[in-house]
Amino acid sequence: SQKIEQNSEALNIQEGKTATLTCNYTNYSPAYLQWYRQDPGRGPVFLLLIRENEKEKRKERLKVTFDTTLKQSLFHITASQPADSATYLCAPYGGAGGSYIPTFGRGTSLIVHP
Amino acid sequence: EPEVTQTPSHQVTQMGQEVILRCVPISNHLYFYWYRQILGQKVEFLVSFYNNEISEKSEIFDDQFSVERPDGSNFTLKIRSTKLEDSAMYFCASSEAPIPDYGYTFGSGTRLTVV
Repeated sequence: SQKIEQNSEALNIQEGKTATLTCNYTNYSPAYLQWYRQDPGRGPVFLLLIRENEKEKRKERLKVTFDTTLKQSLFHITASQPADSATYLCAPYGGAGGSYIPTFGRGTSLIVHP
Repeated sequence: EPEVTQTPSHQVTQMGQEVILRCVPISNHLYFYWYRQILGQKVEFLVSFYNNEISEKSEIFDDQFSVERPDGSNFTLKIRSTKLEDSAMYFCASSEAPIPDYGYTFGSGTRLTVV
């Protein structure tokens, strides 16, 4: 069955550093992958969408990569700030035989220390 | 900025009772979704809705659940005969397209507590 893995351990980094979060998926080949931010008790907030034919996507301090060979997406936040502290969710979907409804990983908690 | 509105923010209900969770999607969006998140767990897909009918549903969305768009603005999730394990945050989301460049817009959720 389709499986999405995000690091369950919280990532602790110092302000100003680059945070890198990983999303691995197995048993399918999604054509799209979304990243969301979720704050405690709130709904997910969309950040970026990357397509299988795009190796990299950027938006301000955010960068997402999509390696269909490794079945992995990396999410980077450069010059991180304490306000970036949240849980980050990846949601792959689409592709041959896949649903076009995003399926969320468990998320990785990011804590940025001042 | 347009937002998805969910009411109530918190609902407490007795086991076996019916609850209706309400959502007002973004006005020009055509695709609507319900997700749920049990405390400490991942966000899980329940159902998608387009053109006044269910387009996809998960295994979680059994006969206990139903959705409806009773008018041009509201989108509701009904849970019949609630169980303790239905306690969760329920999120409504909407999008302008099935594969939207701007992702799904989620509401702030309804926290359902079944006692």
